[in-house]
Amino acid sequence: KAGVTQTPRYLIKTRGQQVTLSCSPISGHRSVSWYQQTPGQGLQFLFEYFSETQRNKGNFPGRFSGRQFSNSRSEMNVSTLELGDSALYLCASSLLAGGPDTQYFGPGTRLTVL
Amino acid sequence: AQKVTQAQTEISVVEKEDVTLDCVYETRDTTYYLFWYKQPPSGELVFLIRRNSFDEQNEISGRYSWNFQKSTSSFNFTITASQVVDSAVYFCALIPLYNQGGKLIFGQGTELSVKP
Repeated sequence: KAGVTQTPRYLIKTRGQQVTLSCSPISGHRSVSWYQQTPGQGLQFLFEYFSETQRNKGNFPGRFSGRQFSNSRSEMNVSTLELGDSALYLCASSLLAGGPDTQYFGPGTRLTVL
Repeated sequence: AQKVTQAQTEISVVEKEDVTLDCVYETRDTTYYLFWYKQPPSGELVFLIRRNSFDEQNEISGRYSWNFQKSTSSFNFTITASQVVDSAVYFCALIPLYNQGGKLIFGQGTELSVKP
C-alpha cells in the first residue's frame, strides 16, 4: 500500500506571496492532519480534516487554512507569507479522526520564505 | 496541562552501545495514547510504537524496547546494540483522548548520533 505523499517536496517563496501544499493520504484513510516543524517551536499541530470537515485546529493565525476533498486528499494554504513561515510542513493520515488511531506521516514539504 | 518532555536534546554513542531515550508526559486524561516516531535526515516521521494508558506491559521489537510506567508518567525507549542506521531524531508524542481529539502533542525530540 502506498504511503502518504506530499507535493511539492521543496518550495521557495517570497514574503507576501501565498502557497498551496498538497497531501494524498494512505488509501482508505479518511483523516488528514497537518503539522508545522521548525527548529524553534518543534512539531506543532495545524489542523485535522475528516470527511471534508475541519475537526480540530491548532493555534495558528487565519493565514493558515486547509481543505479536504471527497477523495480524502487535502490541501493547506498559507497566505501573505512571512519569514517565520519557513518550515517543514508534514501531513499525516489515519483511518479515523479525533481519536487514537496511529497517524502515518508523509515526507513533508520544505517551505523557504525569502 | 498536556505536555511531553524529552529532556535529552542530543545523545551520542558508539555503535553497539545500548542507549535509552527518556520521555515524560503530563495529561489530565485517564485515557491517553503514547507514541514514538523516528525522523531520519530525509524528514519523514516513521511510526515506531503506540501504547494506550491501560496497557503497561513493556514491549520488545527486535533491538527496540519500550518501558511504560504510569507511576512516573514515563515512556522510555531503549535501543540495544545501536547501529549507525539508528541515527535520527526520535520523538515521543501523546494523544489525550478526550481533550485534544486526534491532535498529537510532541516532545522536542532527542537527536541520536551513532558513530561507527
